[in-house]
Amino acid sequence: ETGVTQSPTHLIKTRGQQVTLRCSSQSGHNTVSWYQQALGQGPQFIFQYYREEENGRGNFPPRFSGLQFPNYSSELNVNALELDDSALYLCASSPGRTDTQYFGPGTRLTVL
Amino acid sequence: AQRVTQPEKLLSVFKGAPVELKCNYSYSGSPELFWYVQYSRQRLQLLLRHISRESIKGFTADLNKGETSFHLKKPFAQEEDSAMYYCALLNTGNQFYFGTGTSLTVIP
Repeated sequence: ETGVTQSPTHLIKTRGQQVTLRCSSQSGHNTVSWYQQALGQGPQFIFQYYREEENGRGNFPPRFSGLQFPNYSSELNVNALELDDSALYLCASSPGRTDTQYFGPGTRLTVL
Repeated sequence: AQRVTQPEKLLSVFKGAPVELKCNYSYSGSPELFWYVQYSRQRLQLLLRHISRESIKGFTADLNKGETSFHLKKPFAQEEDSAMYYCALLNTGNQFYFGTGTSLTVIP
């Protein structure tokens, strides 16, 4: 059984660009949540997908969008990147919406 | 608005001493509370959640609705407990809120 994987590991973009981050959920998990973790802060909830539908959203602007595929893998898209978007982006999968979350290693995004 | 507060960014205790990591929350509904832990060079992982009422690695946490707290406790700290600990809340709208974390160092 493989755990949650995320790609890429690191990414450097410039302000105004768009980025797509990817997450493969653990086998048997139908729920994926995305978090942004700035340096020295706790994870901030972006949104959750359950069976391909958005199931909850945190306080992030619409330029943060997502997608979940039939195999329950997921993408996080961020448009019009800003310097403050520089952070570690974490993905977590779970067997159900409120079950234990299993986190991936994260993608480190740097916006210049 | 929901909020999770962990007042201590850093906490050091000696091996064998009791440890308590504080967590306070603000939420008007019925929250579900969690403690997550991140050991050095490892992924964030669930330590315990209040509904399961389990003791994991000797840690316990009791939800006190009157004081809106969910402090994490262990009677005898071990060196392997050194890690970053996050308290988290799940509201009825399926939104998660994490605290800023407490870095625990257990001194041998």
